[in-house]
Amino acid sequence: GAVVSQHPSRVICKSGTSVKIECRSLDFQATTMFWYRQFPKQSLMLMATSNEGSKATYEQGVEKDKFLINHASLTLSTLTVTSAHPEDSSFYICSASFGGSQNIQYFGAGTRLSVL
Amino acid sequence: GNSVTQMEGPVTLSEEAFLTINCTYTATGYPSLFWYVQYPGEGLQLLLKATKADDKGSNKGFEATYRKETTSFHLEKGSVQVSDSAVYFCALRVGGSQGNLIFGKGTKLSVKP
Repeated sequence: GAVVSQHPSRVICKSGTSVKIECRSLDFQATTMFWYRQFPKQSLMLMATSNEGSKATYEQGVEKDKFLINHASLTLSTLTVTSAHPEDSSFYICSASFGGSQNIQYFGAGTRLSVL
Repeated sequence: GNSVTQMEGPVTLSEEAFLTINCTYTATGYPSLFWYVQYPGEGLQLLLKATKADDKGSNKGFEATYRKETTSFHLEKGSVQVSDSAVYFCALRVGGSQGNLIFGKGTKLSVKP
């Protein structure tokens, strides 16, 4: 099946620093990539959707200047959490889709971000 | 709005026990319904799905039936194995194949030998 690799799996950083998370589709070209955030004991919440070569579409309430998304190629999307603060600590998950009639999303294993 | 409610875990069962994880939904229009499974250290994987009322999705011994009258999509398996230990997410999607997925909070299942 389709494989999505997400890196790093865990990151700890100091408040005020920026953190970049990578999401790669290893064996298919992803026309669309999705970024989710999950707080403890909560649902996965969609943050943004990105199509290759175009600007990401952010969900309501998600700060686009805070969470920078780049989808420069059909196999790579990055999420950069800028000037991270403790309240940004969360579990970030990406997924990728190559479209088609069913538009199935394939998920990465997630990144645990802890901001001290 | 659209939302998914699933039973809170964790759920702990002995091997070969019967499993039910309840899932109910609220949706405008006619959603497709999904169950995803996340094994430790891995990404979510689609387990099964149903796209219209009375459809039954099945995979790996798991089943779920799309019940429009009760707005439910409960996950069942007749005999669980230790290898079924994972977190299970119920989800819906409205707006066809281009719509966004809306997830429940997940239910952690632990199966003891």
